[in-house]
Amino acid sequence: AQSVSQHNHHVILSEAASLELGCNYSYGGTVNLFWYVQYPGQHLQLLLKYFSGDPLVKGIKGFEAEFIKSKFSFNLRKPSVQWSDTAEYFCAVKSPPYSSASKIIFGSGTRLSIRP
Amino acid sequence: DSGVTQTPKHLITATGQRVTLRCSPRSGDLSVYWYQQSLDQGLQFLIQYYNGEERAKGNILERFSAQQFPDLHSELNLSSLELGDSALYFCASSVGGGTTNEKLFFGSGTQLSVL
Repeated sequence: AQSVSQHNHHVILSEAASLELGCNYSYGGTVNLFWYVQYPGQHLQLLLKYFSGDPLVKGIKGFEAEFIKSKFSFNLRKPSVQWSDTAEYFCAVKSPPYSSASKIIFGSGTRLSIRP
Repeated sequence: DSGVTQTPKHLITATGQRVTLRCSPRSGDLSVYWYQQSLDQGLQFLIQYYNGEERAKGNILERFSAQQFPDLHSELNLSSLELGDSALYFCASSVGGGTTNEKLFFGSGTQLSVL
């Protein structure tokens, strides 16, 4: 069965530090990949997505993620975090892609706390 | 506001009871997903509907069922409730159909407490 692993459950950083959150998935076929974010008291919302093409995708608020097919990874990065990035981050995988019948499986989430 | 409406926001009930959670998707979205979020299990995919038909199934218990109606709203029915069913239940909608624009819009969830 497909699964998504986020190894960091809670990450604490100071403002201006660089961020990398790990995401690995297990699925042998083609997938679509997503990062969602849930700010305190808000809905889950899309941060960025990868469907095809350039494996380095850029999202909102300066976030980017790189799809490395050989490593089944889709790590999220940001060069310099801000206090407002405090949130919970979820990696997700959709398979099969380009189908009206597909599962979108989420990782367990990483809570990011930024010290001002 | 995501445009996805879930009711009720909070639900407190007893073990053995049955409840119905309701979700209205964003206008124009044909696909509805249900998720269960608990502290120890993260966000678990339950089931997906597309234009009224069940299209994908996840870790949904037999005591749980769902449907999507012709007006595209969806209901998740939870029966013979157990303490362990206490969780936040999210509904999400998307355009569906496997387009490259697909992304999920989440509701604010229904917090279910089984006492």
